[in-house]
Amino acid sequence: SYELTQPPSVSVSPGQTARITCSGDALPKQYAYWYQQKPGQAPVLVIYKDSERPSGIPERFSGSSSGTTVTLTISGVQAEDEADYYCQSADSSGTYKVFGGGTKLTVL
Amino acid sequence: QVQLQESGPGLVKPSETLSLTCTVSGGSISSYYWSWIRQPAGKGLEWIGRIYTSGSTNYNPSLKSRVTMSVDTSKNQFSLKLSSVTAADTAVYYCARDGYYGSGRYVPHDAFDIWGQGTMVTVSS
Repeated sequence: SYELTQPPSVSVSPGQTARITCSGDALPKQYAYWYQQKPGQAPVLVIYKDSERPSGIPERFSGSSSGTTVTLTISGVQAEDEADYYCQSADSSGTYKVFGGGTKLTVL
Repeated sequence: QVQLQESGPGLVKPSETLSLTCTVSGGSISSYYWSWIRQPAGKGLEWIGRIYTSGSTNYNPSLKSRVTMSVDTSKNQFSLKLSSVTAADTAVYYCARDGYYGSGRYVPHDAFDIWGQGTMVTVSS
């Protein structure tokens, strides 16, 4: 089955830049989406189509893509950004959705 | 605005069938894909499958043999049945709408823009 691979954890100090990667063989063909999930809450979409930001999401959130890896970048990290982040995409057919294992962002 | 609410038993016995319903309020269920996603405690998200309002379905291949989804447009509801459950099926179950707003228009697939609050289902005797 198709998998997306994320690092389990990333730690940064406030004001620094956090980068979270997500790797998958079908990513050159399928867009990636990123979600932020805080404890006890449902996930929230923060990036769509690799690099676009939904309305209401702060500008410090951005995304990029290169080959089989997509990256979520959070510039000027704030304490409120501490959360789990999940990438999501689809298999090469586009039919079956898949999530990465999630990355816990810790703000030191 | 559109809101989703999951409902169903919080405790299911092993080997029995888990049944959940998602009620859509504040908007129509028609002309969208609707998904079920689950998350075991302390673990990641797993897409279970989706249903279109016509009744067309796509299921995660790893769960396909045990999953059935249905939709009732008259009640603005869609449902999940997962058979032969084990402790490994213990999780928070979310319903979600497929789609997102981008570049000034709504794209009714690919991502999940609206989620229910989630409901905890425990499989135990």
